[in-house]
Amino acid sequence: DTEVTQTPKHLVMGMTNKKSLKCEQHMGHRAMYWYKQKAKKPPELMFVYSYEKLSINESVPSRFSPECPNSSLLNLHLHALQPEDSALYLCASSQETGDGTYGYTFGSGTRLTVV
Amino acid sequence: GQQVMQIPQYQHVQEGEDFTTYCNSSTTLSNIQWYKQRPGGHPVFLIQLVKSGEVKKQKRLTFQFGEAKKNSSLHITATQTTDVGTYFCAGSLVFTGNQFYFGTGTSLTVIP
Repeated sequence: DTEVTQTPKHLVMGMTNKKSLKCEQHMGHRAMYWYKQKAKKPPELMFVYSYEKLSINESVPSRFSPECPNSSLLNLHLHALQPEDSALYLCASSQETGDGTYGYTFGSGTRLTVV
Repeated sequence: GQQVMQIPQYQHVQEGEDFTTYCNSSTTLSNIQWYKQRPGGHPVFLIQLVKSGEVKKQKRLTFQFGEAKKNSSLHITATQTTDVGTYFCAGSLVFTGNQFYFGTGTSLTVIP
């Protein structure tokens, strides 16, 4: 299995809703990431998990809450979002060795619309 | 995060012409990766460069890492319509670090 699977593919939520994005990989990668991508812009790093521990939080608002239940799963819990949070949310994973980090494998993303 | 700029922002070429995108960082990078994102798709990893002055080739694609490790380029020879997409570089400050910051991207259109 060489894929990163993200669900759902599309999500429409109201500003008072609570929802979760899910990401799964079975490649044995020990680093997992959340990126946010607006239209015609580059992906922006949000969170990095390394060996199931949060290692980087790029000053992301607390309405986004990541969770890594085990080495294969990564969740992003959403609460009280704003319309400007509408974007493509990409999950990625990568192998980590003493030789450095290898290229990311991205999932196909969740296209989120906040209304 | 660090600033990684790419030029040009957009490029239209006739099929068969060559294409180059340039990536420039405000700080010295440890390593740099290149990704391709097709319209409506997700980024797909192409290659990673680590050494100063490194040059790597993948068929019609040539990747280069600058001597000062502050810039990089991707050159495509004889473009094809399948090359359409946005090409991103992504740089990391730390060799064993796993946070890569994406450049601004170059959107390539190939006219048949």
